[in-house]
Formats: sequence, structure tokens, C-alpha cells
Amino acid sequence: KQEVTQIPAALSVPEGENLVLNCSFTDSAIYNLQWFRQDPGKGLTSLLLIQSSQREQTSGRLNASLDKSSGRSTLYIAASQPGDSATYLCAADTGTASKLTFGTGTRLQVTL
Amino acid sequence: GAVVSQHPSRVICKSGTSVKIECRSLDFQATTMFWYRQFPKQSLMLMATSNEGSKATYEQGVEKDKFLINHASLTLSTLTVTSAHPEDSSFYICSATLGPPGDTQYFGPGTRLTVL
Repeated sequence: KQEVTQIPAALSVPEGENLVLNCSFTDSAIYNLQWFRQDPGKGLTSLLLIQSSQREQTSGRLNASLDKSSGRSTLYIAASQPGDSATYLCAADTGTASKLTFGTGTRLQVTL
Repeated sequence: GAVVSQHPSRVICKSGTSVKIECRSLDFQATTMFWYRQFPKQSLMLMATSNEGSKATYEQGVEKDKFLINHASLTLSTLTVTSAHPEDSSFYICSATLGPPGDTQYFGPGTRLTVL
């Protein structure tokens, strides 16, 4: 059974800092690894999707990497802004009917 | 981009009543829709997978008679929480995918259910 863990559970950084969020998964037989953003009381916004054959994906100030062999993914946020404050979730897709197993999330607060 | 809506966004009901939540894909036909539940400060847990015209596949531990899922068309899936109890209070989120397994899932905004 796939288990996904995210560290840290919460993070507070001053505006402008670069930061890294970590995601680890127990079963390396994944189809892809996805990162989402969730604002309080809201649904999920897809940020990046890394296919199992890829090593990284970039979108603006976001860069996600994937190391299947070690069961790890990282989300790098450059030059953080207060608007980046949210909970970030990673999810592993086992490819079986597209079932996503979510991590518990990292609550990020970017302060002025 | 692909948009998924949910209705209602919030619902409060008395214990013992049934509540229906709708999930619609607004600008695409979804081959598969998923229903998730999220308790406060916890992550999303998949409840069931729904394909149009066929019975939903429920995850282990999810009562199919309590959480009725109907996927009548390629753009609409409904989740009915029957005989709701306070422990069913949660945030219910649906998602939809238009492609093959492994394709991006597009998430709805969620429905906050409170059972008194």
C-alpha cells in the first residue's frame, strides 16, 4: 500500500526566501507525482505533474523534482511571496485507475 | 483550462437526513470522476472512483450503501450521503479526468458538510 509523507508539516519564511518542500513515497512504482496547492476551505489547484520518466518540471517560480529510486520528490519555490501562503500537497499516482495517494501536506506561511 | 464545479459549496443538515452533492465538469467530458473526503487538518482520502454508466468502485472501508454515487453522464456525478450523522461532517471534494489513467485530475472547489 502506497504511503506518502510530507516534511515539514508547517513552515514559516520571510518574503523573498527560496524554500524546499519535501515529499516521500514508499512504493516507487508510480505513474506520476503531482503537486497541488490548497487554500483554506477551498479545493485543489494543480501546480506541477511529473511523469515517472521525467526528473523535473518547472512552472514560473516553481520547480519540482522526482527521484523514483529513492522515493522522493521536492517542490522548490523561488523568491517566495505572501500570496504563496497555502497548504501544499503532493500525491502519487499508482496508475491503477488514476488513484492518487495524498500526503498530509505542508502548511506554508510567507510573512512580510 | 478544465473546470470542475460542485454544488452546494456548504450544507448544514440534521442527523438522519440525506444530502446530495453534485460534481460537474463544465467544459470537458470526464471519463472518470473521483470523490474524496478531507477531515480538518488532514489530507484527502479517496472514497470512490466513478465511471459514466457503470457502478462506482469504492475504497476499502467506505460504505457503499451510505455513500451513494451516481454517474449519469460524462459531465455529472453525484454523491448522496444517506442518513447522515455528525461523524460524516467533512469536506467532500470531487475531481475529474478526461484522459487515460495517469492524466491530470481537475478538482472541484469542495463541499463543506456539517451534520448537526
